Order: sequence, then structure tokens, then C-alpha cells
Amino acid sequence: NAGVTQTPKFQVLKTGQSMTLQCAQDMNHNSMYWYRQDPGMGLRLIYYSASEGTTDKGEVPNGYNVSRLNKREFSLRLESAAPSQTSVYFCASRKTGTMNTEAFFGQGTRLTVV
Amino acid sequence: DAKTTQPTSMDCAEGRAANLPCNHSTISGNEYVYWYRQIHSQGPQYIIHGLKNNETNEMASLIITEDRKSSTLILPHATLRDTAVYYCIVTGTSYGKLTFGQGTILTVHP
Repeated sequence: NAGVTQTPKFQVLKTGQSMTLQCAQDMNHNSMYWYRQDPGMGLRLIYYSASEGTTDKGEVPNGYNVSRLNKREFSLRLESAAPSQTSVYFCASRKTGTMNTEAFFGQGTRLTVV
Repeated sequence: DAKTTQPTSMDCAEGRAANLPCNHSTISGNEYVYWYRQIHSQGPQYIIHGLKNNETNEMASLIITEDRKSSTLILPHATLRDTAVYYCIVTGTSYGKLTFGQGTILTVHP
């Protein structure tokens, strides 16, 4: 099993450019998450999706959009990148509902906006 | 999700037990306590979770107080590779939100 796969691993954008961060999981999990982590800080939730077809805002949603394309995939889009969005982005998934399971994380996408 | 409070940093000698506390005084009856750790800039790694009973696995033990308002993660024989940021999270089963706090930076020294 690959677990949670994020692409790309590294990206440099110019201010104003757009891009989509991809995330896919192969564990049949219903919930998926996008976090950002700035240097020396904890993870902050951007958006999450409790099931296919639903998305909800987290702590820091401004400047981002998400799409839960299907049960496997959850993408994060930056429409007009800003230097303040320079960060490491983590995707995660877990099974929620009647059973309580742990979250699995991808290895991160390191994004620099210049 | 209930809010958690953890010390900013802790030190531990290699080979000794590391005891990491977490306060979650607003925890609800159906919320679980989860512990994760993050080594360097890798993705967080699950350690252990529990509802009200103490739990043990190959990585650690979790002690939850009877009133469930606090818990302690125990790494019984800390090694240098256990140096990481440890996060205590409280979350329920019926909703998806998973919120991290600042965590505790554990430094294991020789």
C-alpha cells in the first residue's frame, strides 16, 4: 500500500501564479485533510472533507480552494499565490464514523512563493 | 474538538522514561485522545489513542485520568530517535475535523 501520496514534493511559484497540490489515498478512508505548517509552528488545518462530495473550512482557509474529486483524491488549489503561502503542506486521511481510526499523513509538499 | 494544552518543551535522558503530559479539561464523553509525533519535517506519525482506559502498544503507553481531563504519554525507554514534536489531540468519531496544537518538543539527550 502506498498510503497517502502527495505531488509534487517541491514547488517554487512566482507571486500571482496558480497551482494545484494533489493528494491521493488508497486506504478507502472517508475523511481527508489539508494542513499547512510554517517554520517552527504546528500544523494548521486549511480544509477538510468528511466524505466524498463534502468539504469544510478549517482554521486558515483564505486563499485556498479544495476539491474532493472522488473518495481517493483531495486537491488543494492556490488561485493566486502569495509569499505568505510559503509553507509545507501536508495531506492526511482517516476513517471516521462508527469506528475511530488514526490519521495517515503524506510526506508533504514544500512550497515557496517568491 | 476539545482544546489541549501541552508544555512547550521537555528533555529526557536516553534510556529513561519520557512522560509527556496533556490537559484536555473540556473533553466530551465520546471524544478520544490521540497522540502523534513529527520527526524533523516529516509527516506526523500516529503513536497511540484511547478513550478512557489506559492503552499500551509497541511504541508507548497512554495513561488517561479517571475524569479524562488529562493524559500522559509514556515512552518507556527513550532513544535519540524519539527526539520529535509530540502532539496530543482530542477528536470524536462522528465528525472529520482533526486539529493540532503546538505540541511538545521532546529532546532526548545522551
